[in-house]
Amino acid sequence: GENVEQHPSTLSVQEGDSAVIKCTYSDSASNYFPWYKQELGKRPQLIIDIRSNVGEKKDQRIAVTLNKTAKHFSLHITETQPEDSAVYFCAARGYNFNKFYFGSGTKLNVKP
Amino acid sequence: NAGVTQTPKFQVLKTGQSMTLQCAQDMNHNSMYWYRQDPGMGLRLIYYSASEGTTDKGEVPNGYNVSRLNKREFSLRLESAAPSQTSVYFCGSSYSNQPQHFGDGTRLSIL
Repeated sequence: GENVEQHPSTLSVQEGDSAVIKCTYSDSASNYFPWYKQELGKRPQLIIDIRSNVGEKKDQRIAVTLNKTAKHFSLHITETQPEDSAVYFCAARGYNFNKFYFGSGTKLNVKP
Repeated sequence: NAGVTQTPKFQVLKTGQSMTLQCAQDMNHNSMYWYRQDPGMGLRLIYYSASEGTTDKGEVPNGYNVSRLNKREFSLRLESAAPSQTSVYFCGSSYSNQPQHFGDGTRLSIL
């Protein structure tokens, strides 16, 4: 099955700096890659996603890039704000198009 | 539009007790999922249901059973609760090639 690895596990940045979280996947048949933000004590919420026919997608301060050849995708947050502090999860939809495989999460701390 | 609704939100059990966690979605999604999330950890798939009438094991199915009651509802049962099953349980649902949505979670403590 699919294996998704996520790095780093923790990331601390100064307010206004950029943050980058990276994920790799193993199954070349995976074709859909969502990113979730989970605030403390709350449910994971979708913040951005990308499909395998697209190399990059941007939504205001958030962008995701996908390199299918290398089988990795990244989340980029620019001009970070304290409210960006949360745990971020990457995911890949597996070969059977039903299961999602999640990374282990990155705890982002934005210092004011 | 409630999305994914989980009940109960909190539960405390004694070792050996049984209980069922309920999940319902009103988005006409075909796939539904149960995950557990331990403190500081990611989401681990317990069971999933690709469509009404089908269920499959995920990474950590031992000690759990599921029922896809109809298209809307997917329940998770602990037959004989153990302290190792203390966790936050999330239900999710998705449709075809669309993102997965999650409920608010059930915080389960087993003493």
